Amino acid sequence: AQSVTQLDSHVSVSEGTPVLLRCNYSSSYSPSLFWYVQHPNKGLQLLLKYTSAATLVKGINGFEAEFKKSETSFHLTKPSAHMSDAAEYFCVVSYSGGGADGLTFGKGTHLIIQP
Amino acid sequence: EAGVAQSPRYKIIEKRQSVAFWCNPISGHATLYWYQQILGQGPKLLIQFQNNGVVDDSQLPKDRFSAERLKGVDSTLKIQPAKLEDSAVYLCASSLTVGGGAFFGPGTRLTVL
Repeated sequence: AQSVTQLDSHVSVSEGTPVLLRCNYSSSYSPSLFWYVQHPNKGLQLLLKYTSAATLVKGINGFEAEFKKSETSFHLTKPSAHMSDAAEYFCVVSYSGGGADGLTFGKGTHLIIQP
Repeated sequence: EAGVAQSPRYKIIEKRQSVAFWCNPISGHATLYWYQQILGQGPKLLIQFQNNGVVDDSQLPKDRFSAERLKGVDSTLKIQPAKLEDSAVYLCASSLTVGGGAFFGPGTRLTVL
């Protein structure tokens, strides 16, 4: 069984300050991990993915995430927040078993950017 | 490169009616998924196809939901009959390889009255 827990339902930061969105996962197998972003009334967009290569993964729009197996974490960070980063962020886990890799989503973190 | 296409974008029906959603994945993507996203929640996988075969439908309410991907390209998801709790956004996604992450379409917003 696999699951993912996003530790904060809402995060509020000021523009220009660092962003940290926390995610812990549980998986019986070596997981693949992803972060997706969903802007209001828009589709889900893949930010970055970890698939057992480098543990520090760089994504689009200046975001990055670090896979820490000992902590079963995959936190998303950005050095400096921009107003356009305001959106819903989902941490996602999957594993490849028998050809099925159904992505399991967390409940989401709503990122608010204060001017 | 064209993205995942879905239609219709919006649908309003009465409970107990039937409804169907259509999805055309990115060209060449063998894996296709249908997800249900209820307002305020993360998407939940309903069914996963690899080409025209089902590899995971464990969370599909099979008494009312059905899906097919007959030629291994586009897919249809049907609800028959609809219930109030089926009000959600239905997302289609496709992937080139298993485990590589998926690309999502814009979704169909279903309202059941």
